[in-house]
Amino acid sequence: GAGVSQTPSNKVTEKGKYVELRCDPISGHTALYWYRQSLGQGPEFLIYFQGTGAADDSGLPNDRFFAVRPEGSVSTLKIQRTERGDSAVYLCASSLGTGPDTQYFGPGTRLTVL
Amino acid sequence: AQSVAQPEDQVNVAEGNPLTVKCTYSVSGNPYLFWYVQYPNRGLQFLLKYITGDNLVKGSYGFEAEFNKSQTSFHLKKPSALVSDSALYFCAVRDNVNTDKLIFGTGTRLQVFP
Repeated sequence: GAGVSQTPSNKVTEKGKYVELRCDPISGHTALYWYRQSLGQGPEFLIYFQGTGAADDSGLPNDRFFAVRPEGSVSTLKIQRTERGDSAVYLCASSLGTGPDTQYFGPGTRLTVL
Repeated sequence: AQSVAQPEDQVNVAEGNPLTVKCTYSVSGNPYLFWYVQYPNRGLQFLLKYITGDNLVKGSYGFEAEFNKSQTSFHLKKPSALVSDSALYFCAVRDNVNTDKLIFGTGTRLQVFP
């Protein structure tokens, strides 16, 4: 079946602009996660949704970052007033439920802020 | 604090030889441990996980991992390496304290030489 999909695959923007990154999870998966991976590092947690609600947003670096999942499926990560330090690969993952359920990752969106 | 350590930045092995990629962890409570592989310009692919039961876990592509509670380790192994196994490998542990987010190590680059 279809895996997790993310669009766009690449996004280049200028400092100060607003961007939206989209994640389409595996059908039927109730949990959705956003991670950020900087060059040479492991993924770092940003936010986690269980259904429509954000169960844990403790990884969001500041209030320029926001994410929604209005219908409990597709999620959008929104970044306002982008900074060069936001440049990274943004990864989305979904799992059937919670606990030890495997998180399946999408291919990521490479964000470059000039 | 819960954490994962991958002490080797890179592991080199000749094709046909056994390989080991090391991982140690620190968690509160029972550990849920995962291995993922990342090929260039692609997302993370799930290899295997330890939840409970047998200390030797078998996963995809002939990989296996050994859970050792006394040494708090979860090393990834394969009896005979292939050139196509060359990739970036990440160990991760589920955060038992807060939510179901994964805490990743910094990754180990495996290079298999023909």
